[in-house]
Amino acid sequence: GENVEQHPSTLSVQEGDSAVIKCTYSDSASNYFPWYKQELGKRPQLIIDIRSNVGEKKDQRIAVTLNKTAKHFSLHITETQPEDSAVYFCAASSHQAGTALIFGKGTTLSVSS
Amino acid sequence: DAGVTQSPTHLIKTRGQHVTLRCSPISGHKSVSWYQQVLGQGPQFIFQYYEKEERGRGNFPDRFSARQFPNYSSELNVNALLLGDSALYLCASSLELRTEAFFGQGTRLTVV
Repeated sequence: GENVEQHPSTLSVQEGDSAVIKCTYSDSASNYFPWYKQELGKRPQLIIDIRSNVGEKKDQRIAVTLNKTAKHFSLHITETQPEDSAVYFCAASSHQAGTALIFGKGTTLSVSS
Repeated sequence: DAGVTQSPTHLIKTRGQHVTLRCSPISGHKSVSWYQQVLGQGPQFIFQYYEKEERGRGNFPDRFSARQFPNYSSELNVNALLLGDSALYLCASSLELRTEAFFGQGTRLTVV
């Protein structure tokens, strides 16, 4: 089945810097790749997603890139702010389990002012 | 417009007992999925339902079962609880099978 690896597990940046989180997936049939932000004690919230027919997608300070050949995708956050501090999860949609999401283990992002 | 709602929010059970967790999807959403999130880990897929039919099952023992009702709400049942079942159980709803998934606030289950 699908397996998603996520790096780094922790990331500390200064306010205003950029942050990059990388994920790799194993199932070449996966075609949907969302990113979720989870603040302490709260639900995961969808922040951006990309489908396999697109190489890049942007939404203000957030962007996601996808390399289907290499089977990896990345989250880019520019001009980071303290409120960006949270755990970020990447996921891939597994065709073997309906369209359920297979998640990475998460990246704890800390933005210091 | 209400989001995904789950009940109860917190639950404490004893080993060997069973538990039923409930989820109401966003109005109009036909798909519900269940995930288990252990502290410090990403959510792990348990079940997916669409139009009241099971469409996917993760690598969980038969002690876990679920169902979806005609109004698209869903229940997750866990029998013979183990200490290792302690986790946050998340429900996610989607409009259709291959659209964005929105999560509820979760049910925090503690097994003692």
